[in-house]
This record gives sequence, structure tokens and C-alpha cells, in this order.
Amino acid sequence: DGGITQSPKYLFRKEGQNVTLSCEQNLNHDAMYWYRQDPGQGLRLIYYSQIVNDFQKGDIAEGYSVSREKKESFPLTVTSAQKNPTAFYLCASNGGLLEQFFGPGTRLTVL
Amino acid sequence: GQNIDQPTEMTATEGAIVQINCTYQTSGFNGLFWYQQHAGEAPTFLSYNVLDGLEEKGRFSSFLSRSKGYSYLLLKELQMKDSASYLCAVLNAGNNRKLIWGLGTSLAVNP
Repeated sequence: DGGITQSPKYLFRKEGQNVTLSCEQNLNHDAMYWYRQDPGQGLRLIYYSQIVNDFQKGDIAEGYSVSREKKESFPLTVTSAQKNPTAFYLCASNGGLLEQFFGPGTRLTVL
Repeated sequence: GQNIDQPTEMTATEGAIVQINCTYQTSGFNGLFWYQQHAGEAPTFLSYNVLDGLEEKGRFSSFLSRSKGYSYLLLKELQMKDSASYLCAVLNAGNNRKLIWGLGTSLAVNP
């Protein structure tokens, strides 16, 4: 089955700790995206990558970092510099078609 | 600036028809998407319009008027499972396939 996986579904961390969220896809898509969603808010783009070994900042990149060493993987690190990291994080990808396909999301809670 | 407007909440009755509107002002346009998002889950793709007119797909239809910067999603024969948030997103021309997202319309279907 082709798709996007994110793990874990729920993640708890202490304030001041860095945490890495996993995103893997086996759809052979070139482009991958990370979004953050807060209650009552739309999706806000954190980082995106059009191709392996290349990525660009989105609208709210401060306090986050990414890597794209493999086509299948686009992990997101939430650093201690992110002031308010508690949110629902969504990873997405697209290939030749224009629509983005989403993973199930990771709900991060910082205590 | 770039802006997408949708109503925040709507309520409808099972079996009825509901229309969710979306207006947009963007510096470029390369198509408009509608996504459905159930609470706590990832958005799933519903429709894509790039030319003016109505696209029908089962119980769901989507309409676009580029000259008016306007789209709507029409849901017929409403079912309880249609209770969800509906997200409108515009693909900005020449912007590396980045989407501009509305805040979403929360639809409650009552028996």
C-alpha cells in the first residue's frame, strides 16, 4: 500500500528539549511539506522540499529544522527555540498531480 | 496581500444540501482545492478546479469563477459523516506548488 506515514501519533516532550518528527512516503513523490495546525487556525507551512538535498523555508520556519537526505524521508526537528511548539503537525507530499496527500499527523504536546 | 475567506461554521440537516463558499485574493492563481478534515485527522482531497465552471463528483460538486475570485463546495444528500471541517486552498502560480490555505469551515450535520 502506498502512502505517507508519520510517527508517533502522540508525542510528549519537556520544555527545552528538541524533538524530531518522522515523515516517510513510498509514493515516489518529489515534493514534501510540513505544516502546523493550531485550533481554529488554517494550515501553516513550516518547510517544504521540491527535491532531495534541497528545502526552503515556509511561512513559520523559525524554531524548526528539516533535512531531505532521501526522497522517501523528510524529518522535522522542533527545537527549543520554538516558542510555542504544542500543535498538530502534518506532513504532505505530491508528485505529478497537483493535490497534496497528507500523513495522519503527529500531535505534539510540550509540558 | 494574499487572503482566503470562508465562513467559520455552518449547520445543516441530514439529507439536505449545503453550499460552502470561498473567496480569494492572491497574487497568482493556478487552481483551487477543497479538502475535508475530520476532527483529529489529516485533510483528504475532495476536488480541484482550475477552469471556470462546475465539477461534479458524486454527492460533492465544486464551482469556480476566476473573474470573481470565488468558489463553492456543494454537498448534497447530507450524511452525519459529512460533519467535518472543509478547507479551501489556492495554488499560487509559479510558487513551487505552495498552497495558500483558508481557515476552514466547520460543518455540523444534525439529524
